[in-house]
Amino acid sequence: EAGVTQSPTHLIKTRGQQVTLRCSPISGHTSVYWYQQALGLGLQFLLWYDEGEERNRGNFPPRFSGRQFPNYSSELNVNALELEDSALYLCASSLGEQYFGPGTRLTVT
Amino acid sequence: AQKVTQAQTEISVVEKEDVTLDCVYETRDTTYYLFWYKQPPSGELVFLIRRNSFDEQNEISGRYSWNFQKSTSSFNFTITASQVVDSAVYFCALTSGYNTDKLIFGTGTRLQVFP
Repeated sequence: EAGVTQSPTHLIKTRGQQVTLRCSPISGHTSVYWYQQALGLGLQFLLWYDEGEERNRGNFPPRFSGRQFPNYSSELNVNALELEDSALYLCASSLGEQYFGPGTRLTVT
Repeated sequence: AQKVTQAQTEISVVEKEDVTLDCVYETRDTTYYLFWYKQPPSGELVFLIRRNSFDEQNEISGRYSWNFQKSTSSFNFTITASQVVDSAVYFCALTSGYNTDKLIFGTGTRLQVFP
């Protein structure tokens, strides 16, 4: 069974640009979660989508947004990138416990 | 407020030593779940275990064991006869309520196992 997949693996962007990260959940999982792991800040919850709707949101500004598609895959969009957005972005899917993908490492210069 | 504390930032051991990673949690909910995840250098979080608040039975899986004590709000993780491949950052996490919700992570403990 395929695990959670994320793309791209690595990304380098310039401050002020916009970025879209993608996540495909494990087959049969309807919930998708996004977390940010920035250096020195630990793992922080960003967003939770279930059945196409945003169910919960962490303490992040509105320039962090996302959506979930009918096939349960998800996108995370970050507008007006700032240097402190540099982090590993992890996606997880769940039917109970959360299983994580390999992450997308975003570097903002 | 919900919180997970992993007081040990980094632990170094020599192969074959036993090591215990501490986790203390705070929650006001009576129903909650506790987790341990392993993050090897590749970055992917690997699920290790989930326990619910009504099941205080200790669990053993191979060289891994978990000790859940509600009286001390602790969910400690022991690796027996550690191996170099156990080197990773280990995270304890908490989620509360009846619905699957966001994970609240501790700050992680970096375990280094030397040959």
